[in-house]
Amino acid sequence: KQEVTQIPAALSVPEGENLVLNCSFTDSAIYNLQWFRQDPGKGLTSLLLIQSSQREQTSGRLNASLDKSSGRSTLYIAASQPGDSATYLCAVSSTGNQFYFGTGTSLTVIP
Amino acid sequence: DTAVSQTPKYLVTQMGNDKSIKCEQNLGHDTMYWYKQDSKKFLKIMFSYNNKELIINETVPNRFSPKSPDKAHLNLHINSLELGDSAVYFCASSQDVASYEQYFGPGTRLTVT
Repeated sequence: KQEVTQIPAALSVPEGENLVLNCSFTDSAIYNLQWFRQDPGKGLTSLLLIQSSQREQTSGRLNASLDKSSGRSTLYIAASQPGDSATYLCAVSSTGNQFYFGTGTSLTVIP
Repeated sequence: DTAVSQTPKYLVTQMGNDKSIKCEQNLGHDTMYWYKQDSKKFLKIMFSYNNKELIINETVPNRFSPKSPDKAHLNLHINSLELGDSAVYFCASSQDVASYEQYFGPGTRLTVT
C-alpha cells in the first residue's frame, strides 16, 4: 500500500526566503502527483499537478519536481510571502485509482 | 461560480442520529470522491464514483453509504453517528479516474456530541 510522507511537519521562515518542501512515497508506480494548499478552515486548492512522465511543473513562484525512481517530490517556493502561510499537502495517485495524501507541512512566513 | 460545492458547511448532531452531506460539481467531471480529514489533518479517501458507479470503497463502516443520483452529485449518508465520526468531510471531483487533477469542495465539519 502506498505511503506518503512529508517533511518537515512544520516550517517557519522569514519573508523573502526561498524554501523547499519535501514529499516522499513508497510505491513508484504512480499516475501523477499533486500539490495542494489548505488554509485554516478551508478546502484544498490545487497548486501543481505533475504527470508520471514529467519531471517538473512551474507556476509563478512555485516549482514542483518529481523523481519517480527515488519516490520523491519537492515543492520549491521562491521569495516567500506572508500570504504563502498555509498547510501544503502532496497527494499521489497510483494503481487502482487510489489517491494517497501526505501528512502535510504547515508553513508560516514571518513578515 | 463554485466548482465543487458541499452542504451543509457545519453539522452538529448527537450520537445515534442519521445525517446526510450533499455534494455537487458543475465541472462536467466523470469522477467524484469523498475524503475524511481527521483531527490530525490527515486526509483519507473513503469512496470514489465514476459515472455514477462505485469504484473505490475503502475500509469504511457500512454506516456510511454514498449515493450518486447522477454524474454531478455524490451524497454521503451516515447512519447511527458515533463520536469518532467527528471530522471534516471533503468532496472532490476529477475529469476521469487517476490521471487528472482533483478539485475539492470547501468541506463539511461534522461534530458528533
